[in-house]
Amino acid sequence: NAGVMQNPRHLVRRRGQEARLRCSPMKGHSHVYWYRQLPEEGLKFMVYLQKENIIDESGMPKERFSAEFPKEGPSILRIQQVVRGDSAAYFCASSPRTGGSNQPQHFGDGTRLSIL
Amino acid sequence: AQTVTQSQPEMSVQEAETVTLSCTYDTSESDYYLFWYKQPPSRQMILVIRQEAYKQQNATENRFSVNFQKAAKSFSLKISDSQLGDAAMYFCAYRSATGTYKYIFGTGTRLKVLA
Repeated sequence: NAGVMQNPRHLVRRRGQEARLRCSPMKGHSHVYWYRQLPEEGLKFMVYLQKENIIDESGMPKERFSAEFPKEGPSILRIQQVVRGDSAAYFCASSPRTGGSNQPQHFGDGTRLSIL
Repeated sequence: AQTVTQSQPEMSVQEAETVTLSCTYDTSESDYYLFWYKQPPSRQMILVIRQEAYKQQNATENRFSVNFQKAAKSFSLKISDSQLGDAAMYFCAYRSATGTYKYIFGTGTRLKVLA
């Protein structure tokens, strides 16, 4: 039973390029959350998605960041025109549709984004 | 807005001894969940233990237990018989029982286990 799969594990980009981070939730999970972890800090919520819908994007920067979770395929976190400050570990977590708040989120191993 | 505070950036414990990690939170909600996650150098986020706010009984998972004080908004983690493999960052997290269920994390406590 595969867990939450994130790829790539490490991503290196130059300033101004685009970064695409992928997340495949656990089988049977239809809720996806993205978090960002800056060095020596805790995880900060970015966005919560269900299939084809953004439910809560209150933690997303207003510019350059976008997220999607299409009907088919993984969830994508996209960062356009990356800057040095985007360097961080980005974690995806998933939870099942049923069960509501009682269900803990299951985390992927994260993608470490480094900006040169 | 809810906040989570971990006031101990780093803690050390001797192998086989007991250590307690502190966590306080602030909320106006009455129904919520609290979690402790462990993050070893591999960067995985591993669920250690969780507590439902409506339960008075403290949660326990093998060597891990919590001291949940709802009125004081305190949620400490006790690790008994510490092992070298317990060395990691530990994050306390809050989640509302309503709304979008997003986690609010503390800044973490780095636990070192001394042989």
